[in-house]
Amino acid sequence: DSGVTQTPKHLITATGQRVTLRCSPRSGDLSVYWYQQSLDQGLQFLIQYYNGEERAKGNILERFSAQQFPDLHSELNLSSLELGDSALYFCASSVASGWTDTQYFGPGTRLTVL
Amino acid sequence: AQTVTQSQPEMSVQEAETVTLSCTYDTSESDYYLFWYKQPPSRQMILVIRQEAYKQQNATENRFSVNFQKAAKSFSLKISDSQLGDAAMYFCAYRGGATNKLIFGTGTLLAVQP
Repeated sequence: DSGVTQTPKHLITATGQRVTLRCSPRSGDLSVYWYQQSLDQGLQFLIQYYNGEERAKGNILERFSAQQFPDLHSELNLSSLELGDSALYFCASSVASGWTDTQYFGPGTRLTVL
Repeated sequence: AQTVTQSQPEMSVQEAETVTLSCTYDTSESDYYLFWYKQPPSRQMILVIRQEAYKQQNATENRFSVNFQKAAKSFSLKISDSQLGDAAMYFCAYRGGATNKLIFGTGTLLAVQP
């Protein structure tokens, strides 16, 4: 158990809908990262937040957004869902935002768009 | 841009034997970290081992060790005394000073035969 929690574990929804994925980092960690794992794209970095501020952005679609709250939990919002958004979404956390910090992953949220 | 390549989509090993998973990477950075993550059928991403590029000594964690060849940009993972619980997808990952994200390879699926 990495100490990173994600809810829900599974999510099934329809095209065009909007969903919210939630992540709680390890105790003491200030950075949260979101990754998407799909069959065709592999594991891709989406976005990073550090202590409430966006720190880095990757291959995140405009239909997706994220935020980190004062209690350091983070939410990833996916809207106007398409079939291709079906994937495993991971949250990871690290102590700080430096590149030397190890990232610890949560169990993931499996999103299925029908 | 940095890239990570895992050229072995699948590998198989007999229980109690040793197996080596290959990883090569491309970067122009001099300081960086390399990681091996394990993803068992549960889909959890588990950190196996990490190597700091400026360290000459190869990292070791129990039955897991790496062969880090900086000049050749090679980072292989050796699993000794393989166990059934080692069966999983293994991802090689890179993180350098120019980016906060982990860059993953495509993974190697390891099967352990009893």
